Amino acid sequence: QLQVQESGPGLVKPSETLSLTCSASGGSISSSNYYWAWIRQPPGKGLEWIGSIYYSGSTYYNPSLKSRFTISVDTSKNQFSMKLSSVTAADTAVYYCARQLIAVGGYGWFDPWGQGTLVTVSS
Amino acid sequence: EIVLTQSPDFQSVTPKEKVTITCRASERIGNTLHWYQQKPGQSPKLLIKYASQSFSGVPSRFSGSGSGTDFTLTINSLEAEDAATYYCHQSSRLPFTFGQGTKLEIK
Repeated sequence: QLQVQESGPGLVKPSETLSLTCSASGGSISSSNYYWAWIRQPPGKGLEWIGSIYYSGSTYYNPSLKSRFTISVDTSKNQFSMKLSSVTAADTAVYYCARQLIAVGGYGWFDPWGQGTLVTVSS
Repeated sequence: EIVLTQSPDFQSVTPKEKVTITCRASERIGNTLHWYQQKPGQSPKLLIKYASQSFSGVPSRFSGSGSGTDFTLTINSLEAEDAATYYCHQSSRLPFTFGQGTKLEIK
């Protein structure tokens, strides 16, 4: 059964770049049936989709987050990653990675999710 | 973007009660609406996919209905372990969006 797990620093300074990696186990990121997504949740708030990537490298981003995010995939390591540049305190959140089904005619649900990693932006 | 509005934001309920949470979409989204449960300190877990299809392993007391713009998550005979925040999510159109969440407190 596929599992995903986030890793990365828990503390980042303002204006720096945040880098997180999601490692998949029990299944392949190279499956043609799924996208791989990043979602974040500020403390005490709701969920916000950041973006998704296909194993080929095709990406979709949330336009409301502008262009600060970059998502990439490394099929040889069965991992995908995200970078967020010029972080501010508003980027403090739990960051989740998740698998997203590619449905007939479009997109599907997110499952499974990683346990999440809390990233705090502070000097 | 498609805005999902859930109601209520918070509900305090007693065990064995029937609970109904609604999710209204700002545009018609067919049945591309999914429900998640998030317990404190945990990641969200999928409950219902495509508005009414129960996900594998989810207790039968959870059910979903609706299409177009109005959707409902129903929990029959609520149990103490159902204390959580529930989110709806639309996958009809980019960007994918979530409702603001409904927090269930068990009395």
